[in-house]
Formats: sequence, C-alpha cells, structure tokens
Amino acid sequence: DADVTQTPRNRITKTGKRIMLECSQTKGHDRMYWYRQDPGLGLRLIYYSFDVKDINKGEISDGYSVSRQAQAKFSLSLESAIPNQTALYFCATSDRLGRRGFNEQFFGPGTRLTVL
Amino acid sequence: AQSVAQPEDQVNVAEGNPLTVKCTYSVSGNPYLFWYVQYPNRGLQFLLKYITGDNLVKGSYGFEAEFNKSQTSFHLKKPSALVSDSALYFCAVSAQGADRGSTLGRLYFGRGTQLTVWP
Repeated sequence: DADVTQTPRNRITKTGKRIMLECSQTKGHDRMYWYRQDPGLGLRLIYYSFDVKDINKGEISDGYSVSRQAQAKFSLSLESAIPNQTALYFCATSDRLGRRGFNEQFFGPGTRLTVL
Repeated sequence: AQSVAQPEDQVNVAEGNPLTVKCTYSVSGNPYLFWYVQYPNRGLQFLLKYITGDNLVKGSYGFEAEFNKSQTSFHLKKPSALVSDSALYFCAVSAQGADRGSTLGRLYFGRGTQLTVWP
C-alpha cells in the first residue's frame, strides 16, 4: 500500500551493528505495528503502538526497540544485530476501533534485512 | 490464547476450478477474522474480513470466506481460480473485547498457505 512506506527496502549488515528501520504513513491512522516474516512461520508481532504515547511489546520483542516519533512515524531498531534477525520486516497501520468494530491493517512493502 | 491454523502449506488447483484455502482459529470471545494475500516482493494486501453479521463474506478479486462458529473455521474460497491468484495467503484473527489492554487490536496470523494455480 503506497500510503505506508518503509525505508530502506533492502539492507545488508554485519553482526553487532545497530540498524534502524523506518516506517511512515499518510493514512492518518493511530495504530502502528512492526512484524517480522520468516518462511514457514508467518508474521510475528514485534511491537505495536496504539498512539504516540502508547507502545507495547509483541510476541518477539527481545533484541528490538521502537520509537514512535509522531503519529505518522514508527521506527524499529536492532541495537546489536545478529544473524537470526535476518528476515523480512513489515510495518502496518490501522485505524482505531470504532463502533463498526475492528479495522483491518494496511501493510508497507517490507524491508529485507540480512545480518551476516 | 489466540491462534490461527492453516493446515495446508500448499494448495494446487487448475485454472477455472474452485479453490479453498483452509483456516481454523482459537480465540477467547468473539473473533474478528481476516484474510490477506501476499504477492512476491510485496507487502500483505487485505482481502476480506468477518466482524459480525452474515457468515458469508465477500471480498476483493472474487474471493469469499465462510465463517463457521461451531467449527471455528474461516475458509477462503473462490468459484473459479485464475493463474494470477497464485500467491501466499494468510488468515488472521483478533478478539473482540472491552479490555483494550489485552489482545484487543492485535492480529494473530497463521503460517500462510502457498496457492498455485496452474494453467
């Protein structure tokens, strides 16, 4: 979805390096998410944020940190990258819950990260 | 705990034939259910969702899904498959509830099913 952008799209780095992945959205959504995708494992939630002052750990937050700089920006950092963090990383957004119920998430194009 | 199972890693079907991609779920409370599709080198695209109401949900590209509460299933279907439907399909679930501090707002994804439609 062009309204959710991720940078960089591809990154190769070495073990121990600090890496930041960035996500921006123009959808005006309050909620933002970071997932990683590994073959055969589907998507697993790393962190999620319901608004600028609300950040929550997901299933696999160890080794990651996040920053919600503004409503439209949500960054994921790997403080000291390790090879098993090699994966495809997705950012997603969704609108807040409304009277119509839960809203679907909109995904960015992904960042392919390789840690050597 | 919330979870989704997609029992088939791969589904192969001939073009023009009907297709089914299976999904079962486990959730505390009433579910919100979703199907997403991922084409190569792309992010996930939303196909359809079940929130409440009719058990048969229609979505994008001619897909539909049937919610079956007794079987806790939400299978994706299409009457006539196209080669261009070949992609990775994900089922996802979230839980309805009043407590925003729990699982509300989080999606739990299945492992995905690779659909191949051959000419």
